[in-house]
Amino acid sequence: ILNVEQSPQSLHVQEGDSTNFTCSFPSSNFYALHWYRWETAKSPEALFVMTLNGDEKKKGRISATLNTKEGYSYLYIKGSQPEDSATYLCAFIDYGGSQGNLIFGKGTKLSVKP
Amino acid sequence: DADVTQTPRNRITKTGKRIMLECSQTKGHDRMYWYRQDPGLGLRLIYYSFDVKDINKGEISDGYSVSRQAQAKFSLSLESAIPNQTALYFCATSGGPLEQFFGPGTRLTVL
Repeated sequence: ILNVEQSPQSLHVQEGDSTNFTCSFPSSNFYALHWYRWETAKSPEALFVMTLNGDEKKKGRISATLNTKEGYSYLYIKGSQPEDSATYLCAFIDYGGSQGNLIFGKGTKLSVKP
Repeated sequence: DADVTQTPRNRITKTGKRIMLECSQTKGHDRMYWYRQDPGLGLRLIYYSFDVKDINKGEISDGYSVSRQAQAKFSLSLESAIPNQTALYFCATSGGPLEQFFGPGTRLTVL
């Protein structure tokens, strides 16, 4: 059974704080890792797709890194703003067991207080 | 206009009723998916389809069925709804494993 773990489950920070959270996934047969941002009452929105070990992606104040050998990815938010409040989901694809489908973690819920 | 649409957006029904949730997409993608989201459990795959003649069970298909009426349409049915099927349901489409686009979700409550 393929398992994707995200930590922490929830996070409360003050506006201006920088924060990061973790996605852990099986390190064998890695194909790709997705990060999504999901606001309540909206669709999950794709942030990054990462495929190569050592990948680093950045979009504004949000960035992500990938380590496929040890099976983890970090998502960083620099200078958090209230509008960053959302649930951040990671999803993993491998060459075998997932049949090319996304296996989602349970998400990290971020709340940013003004 | 949204690329992936879902109807209805909200539905309240009673135990034992048959319910159909519909999904349409204008992205021209072959792959379509139905997910269920429960608090604290992330997104779990119910069914997926890689083309019109291809239907596959996902992680939690029991109690659900699907129909791929056309490339653009993928419906999810609950033949006899039960309260533990109360959840937020998302449809998604993709042109390959490196992308996936989600609909706005359908909030279903089974009383």
